[in-house]
Amino acid sequence: DVKVTQSSRYLVKRTGEKVFLECVQDMDHENMFWYRQDPGLGLRLIYFSYDVKMKEKGDIPEGYSVSREKKERFSLILESASTNQTSMYLCASSFKRTGRIYNEQFFGPGTRLTVL
Amino acid sequence: RKEVEQDPGPFNVPEGATVAFNCTYSNSASQSFFWYRQDCRKEPKLLMSVYSSGNEDGRFTAQLNRASQYISLLIRDSKLSDSATYLCVVNMEIQGAQKLVFGQGTRLTINP
Repeated sequence: DVKVTQSSRYLVKRTGEKVFLECVQDMDHENMFWYRQDPGLGLRLIYFSYDVKMKEKGDIPEGYSVSREKKERFSLILESASTNQTSMYLCASSFKRTGRIYNEQFFGPGTRLTVL
Repeated sequence: RKEVEQDPGPFNVPEGATVAFNCTYSNSASQSFFWYRQDCRKEPKLLMSVYSSGNEDGRFTAQLNRASQYISLLIRDSKLSDSATYLCVVNMEIQGAQKLVFGQGTRLTINP
């Protein structure tokens, strides 16, 4: 069974704090993703990575950075948390594309972050 | 036009009914299509991949209509446990990069 784990289910931080969200997958997936999910806006891609030390901006990268030092681990960093970053953060992983066909993404349980 | 568009619902149907919803997508070059299910306060999980010829898995049937650029999900003999949000997912090339784009989801409630 594929397992994607996230470091915290719930997190409360103050404005201006640096926040680290960790994601670990155990299926040797090449691809890893960070999304945020907000009511009425659906899932929005923040950053993704196709390989170790490789990162690509998603749709809403502003205010975030990422790190992928090992294949199984993908970290999301909020350099200076703000109240508009209060959200559900979901990590996902998948095998790389097979030709032009995408593979299933497996999601972690999510981290609900509140920034006060 | 949104890249991937779904009717957000909510759809409220009685147990045992058949329910269907569609999802339209904007990019005619898209090749990969999925339906995900997301329960309240849980992560999305793959329900079905959608193939060109259509596919069926028990009570669930997915269809792809390339000419009209939509995919559909049909649930027969609905169960209370089918209550969830159903997310349509399509791959697209956006600004030179290939991405999976998620719809906002259709919320379904099955009533006893």
